[in-house]
Amino acid sequence: GQNIDQPTEMTATEGAIVQINCTYQTSGFNGLFWYQQHAGEAPTFLSYNVLDGLEEKGRFSSFLSRSKGYSYLLLKELQMKDSASYLCAVMDSNYQLIWGAGTKLIIKP
Amino acid sequence: ETGVTQTPRHLVMGMTNKKSLKCEQHLGHNAMYWYKQSAKKPLELMFVYNFKEQTENNSVPSRFSPECPNSSHLFLHLHTLQPEDSALYLCASSQDGTSSGANVLTFGAGSRLTVL
Repeated sequence: GQNIDQPTEMTATEGAIVQINCTYQTSGFNGLFWYQQHAGEAPTFLSYNVLDGLEEKGRFSSFLSRSKGYSYLLLKELQMKDSASYLCAVMDSNYQLIWGAGTKLIIKP
Repeated sequence: ETGVTQTPRHLVMGMTNKKSLKCEQHLGHNAMYWYKQSAKKPLELMFVYNFKEQTENNSVPSRFSPECPNSSHLFLHLHTLQPEDSALYLCASSQDGTSSGANVLTFGAGSRLTVL
């Protein structure tokens, strides 16, 4: 079966760096997405990786290794507003999105 | 309004009630989706409409009935639901529903449904 694994919850300190990992086993691969979802709000698109390597967007970076079935989302200079759930999703060979259960990130002062 | 708007934001219903969830997008997108989000579980795709045609129905019970009158509006009609159907129902849209790895979804804030 197809599976996406990510930690259920992580805690980090304001101003620090945190890395949220996502591993996947899917039938084929057509890209990996990260979304951010604040409590009670809509998930919003953060990044899309289809080739190996690091994509940087301001304080957020996303990394992909297709051979390892692995991605991470790196958040730098953490702010309190970064407290949210982070959803990893992979598009399989049928262009269906397979979702992880999300990682709840708690930022402490 | 811009983006994807869902109403109502909260809904409590009994198992014998009939209610509807509404979704509206003002992004000019041609594909619309219904997802179910339960605590600590992955998003579950329920229905997909592409250019008003239903292209996906992921074995959803018939007590959930979608309707897409045009590319901007999507409804989810609810009838004789079960307590386990209590969840957050998210609507999303994208440029289109064709095979594209960069098909980014824009989500609404969801309708929180509680079935008593």
